[in-house]
Amino acid sequence: NAGVTQTPKFRVLKTGQSMTLLCAQDMNHEYMYWYRQDPGMGLRLIHYSVGEGTTAKGEVPDGYNVSRLKKQNFLLGLESAAPSQTSVYFCASSGWTSGNPEQYFGPGTRLTVT
Amino acid sequence: GIQVEQSPPDLILQEGANSTLRCNFSDSVNNLQWFHQNPWGQLINLFYIPSGTKQNGRLSATTVATERYSLLYISSSQTTDSGVYFCAVEVTGNTPLVFGKGTRLSVIA
Repeated sequence: NAGVTQTPKFRVLKTGQSMTLLCAQDMNHEYMYWYRQDPGMGLRLIHYSVGEGTTAKGEVPDGYNVSRLKKQNFLLGLESAAPSQTSVYFCASSGWTSGNPEQYFGPGTRLTVT
Repeated sequence: GIQVEQSPPDLILQEGANSTLRCNFSDSVNNLQWFHQNPWGQLINLFYIPSGTKQNGRLSATTVATERYSLLYISSSQTTDSGVYFCAVEVTGNTPLVFGKGTRLSVIA
């Protein structure tokens, strides 16, 4: 049981390049989330999904797109990276584990845009 | 939307000391969770506690839903307790958790 995994762990992009971050969970959770965390800051929600085939905008969705084609995967895309998107990105999933709707996080992806 | 305020923002403790972290929220909630982010960035779920009291080792949490606050107690603190503690709440079902800004705890030997 790996929990929530993220690929890649680190990435450096040049301005204007595109990339996709992959999140996978093996807990059969319905809900999945993408957050960004900037130095000394809290977590800001980018997009989330309440089930396979659904997505919704969070607090800071601009410049990102997401897809949830399979229940266990949630992809975050950057079509044209900007230096302002330099951040640590966390994926999370939640569902009724042991009778509680607990949320679990992946290890994070550190992205630098130059 | 709901406001989540955590206090204190920063806390420095000597190893072995006890501490209480507070989370105030501005509306009724049906979901409240505490998380710990260690110095390496890993986020760990500590408690799901929309009401009542729970204990896990040296950590315990109490939520008084009618008064809209939750407390996280850390007893006999260790250097491994260092990091940032986040409180997060959900007002209704199917909506994402709203996170507070966190309390940064430093435990020194």
